[in-house]
Amino acid sequence: TQLLEQSPQFLSIQEGENLTVYCNSSSVFSSLQWYRQEPGEGPVLLVTVVTGGEVKKLKRLTFQFGDARKDSSLHITAAQPGDTGLYLCAGGRSSGSRLTFGEGTQLTVNP
Amino acid sequence: DAGVTQSPTHLIKTRGQHVTLRCSPISGHKSVSWYQQVLGQGPQFIFQYYEKEERGRGNFPDRFSARQFPNYSSELNVNALLLGDSALYLCASSLIQSHNNSPLHFGNGTRLTVT
Repeated sequence: TQLLEQSPQFLSIQEGENLTVYCNSSSVFSSLQWYRQEPGEGPVLLVTVVTGGEVKKLKRLTFQFGDARKDSSLHITAAQPGDTGLYLCAGGRSSGSRLTFGEGTQLTVNP
Repeated sequence: DAGVTQSPTHLIKTRGQHVTLRCSPISGHKSVSWYQQVLGQGPQFIFQYYEKEERGRGNFPDRFSARQFPNYSSELNVNALLLGDSALYLCASSLIQSHNNSPLHFGNGTRLTVT
């Protein structure tokens, strides 16, 4: 069974602080996706990384895929209250649409 | 353009009953996947359908079944409901079968409560 472990599970910080969320697995994935989910809504895709060592930036968010394609991180610079939400990592194999999700990191950014 | 739509948004059932959840994918999307998200956890894969055929099944009992219609909409059926089936059921659509080349677009889910 492929498992993705996210840490931390909960994170409460002040506006302006930086943070990093980790997603780790013992399995290799062909791609790793990060989603953000708000209460009452479905997950929304933030980024997909497919190459080991790949780094992608989305405004204040930086995503990295580990060299061995087993782990990933999400770094947020100067967090804002609008960043509050559940951040989910999800790994996929090369074929099919099945994604294995981590349990998520609930981020709260206080003004 | 309309996103993935799911109905109903909320549903309350009692143990032993059955339920049918519906999903309309984004226009042009041929793949539909179903996920179960229990409170406090990440989504768990249930089924994927592509071109009206089942292409993947997660680790769920036979009480769970699904189908995809010619217009690519989909239904998820759950029989003999248990308290543990209470969850947010998410539908996701994509253009093609492989997630690598076609990202998933999720609906806002159906919140099922079993009492």
